[in-house]
Amino acid sequence: SQTIHQWPATLVQPVGSPLSLECTVEGTSNPNLYWYRQAAGRGLQLLFYSVGIGQISSEVPQNLSASRPQDRQFILSSKKLLLSDSGFYLCAWSVRGYGYTFGSGTRLTVV
Amino acid sequence: DQQVKQNSPSLSVQEGRISILNCDYTNSMFDYFLWYKKYPAEGPTFLISISSIKDKNEDGRFTVFLNKSAKHLSLHIVPSQPGDSAVYFCAASFNRDDKIIFGKGTRLHILP
Repeated sequence: SQTIHQWPATLVQPVGSPLSLECTVEGTSNPNLYWYRQAAGRGLQLLFYSVGIGQISSEVPQNLSASRPQDRQFILSSKKLLLSDSGFYLCAWSVRGYGYTFGSGTRLTVV
Repeated sequence: DQQVKQNSPSLSVQEGRISILNCDYTNSMFDYFLWYKKYPAEGPTFLISISSIKDKNEDGRFTVFLNKSAKHLSLHIVPSQPGDSAVYFCAASFNRDDKIIFGKGTRLHILP
């Protein structure tokens, strides 16, 4: 069966520190992968999506970047966090015609 | 520019009654619509979907209605149960394989 792992569950980081959130998928090949952020009053905002290794599309200009070094691995990064980067980050995957499956999310607080 | 709009941030409904959550969209090219349910500190889970060629889809207590001319869809939950208390996200995509655009969500409270 397909599963998605996202970690850590919670993270508190100081302003200006780097960030690396990892997401891995099991039980499927060549999934589409997505990073979303839920910020207060903003709903679920699509940040990045990837249709294959090394292929990243950015939806909104921001302080974050994404990479897909392996087929089932998706990484969200920042070199220097801002207070506005706080939020609930969600990774999701989809395979053709089957809709999205979300991970359990990471609560990031930048202090 | 918000393409999927949920104008009610919250909704309270008595247990056993019908819950109706509304959603409007602006892009007539959307082909596929979905509803997701989310509990605090968890990822959203898929609830129900509808293709643009249909106007109704039913799954147990959940029914989604689509009015393409009004660019409006709604989710009906009958009867409402305490476990239905959550945030509900309306979402749309240009096809089943495309990225999904979400609304801001509506928090549903089921009152005892």
